[in-house]
Amino acid sequence: DSGVTQTPKHLITATGQRVTLRCSPRSGDLSVYWYQQSLDQGLQFLIQYYNGEERAKGNILERFSAQQFPDLHSELNLSSLELGDSALYFCASSVEGQGYNEQFFGPGTRLTVL
Amino acid sequence: AQKVTQAQTEISVVEKEDVTLDCVYETRDTTYYLFWYKQPPSGELVFLIRRNSFDEQNEISGRYSWNFQKSTSSFNFTITASQVVDSAVYFCALSEVHGSGNTGKLIFGQGTTLQVKP
Repeated sequence: DSGVTQTPKHLITATGQRVTLRCSPRSGDLSVYWYQQSLDQGLQFLIQYYNGEERAKGNILERFSAQQFPDLHSELNLSSLELGDSALYFCASSVEGQGYNEQFFGPGTRLTVL
Repeated sequence: AQKVTQAQTEISVVEKEDVTLDCVYETRDTTYYLFWYKQPPSGELVFLIRRNSFDEQNEISGRYSWNFQKSTSSFNFTITASQVVDSAVYFCALSEVHGSGNTGKLIFGQGTTLQVKP
């Protein structure tokens, strides 16, 4: 158990809908990362927050947004969902959000868009 | 451009065999970190090791060992006397310091699926 929690574990929804994925980092970690794992794209970095502020952005679609709240939990919002958004979404956390920090991953949220 | 290549898509071995998973990376950064993660069938990603670009010493942890060679931009992972529980997908990842603004953004390889048969 990494100490990172993600809810829900599974999510099934329809095209065009909007969903919110939630992540709670390990106790003491200030940085949260979101990654998407799909069969065709592999594991891809989406976005990073550090202590409530956006720190880095990767291949995140405009339909997707995220935020980190004062209690350090984070939410990833996916809207106007398409079939291609079906994937496993991971949240990871690290102490300081820097290159040498180990990232600890949550169990993931499996999103299925029908 | 930064890139991580794991050329072996799938490897199958019989228990107790040694197996090496290859990882080749590309970066223009002089300071970077390399990682290995394990993804067992249950799906979570488990951190295995971190290595910085200035430390080329090999590392051994039980049955696991890592060989970092800057000259060939490789960071290979060897499992000695493999066991069925080693069956998983293994990912190599790169984190650039200057290139990413030291954000810790991980660039992953495509992963190698290791199947250890009894």
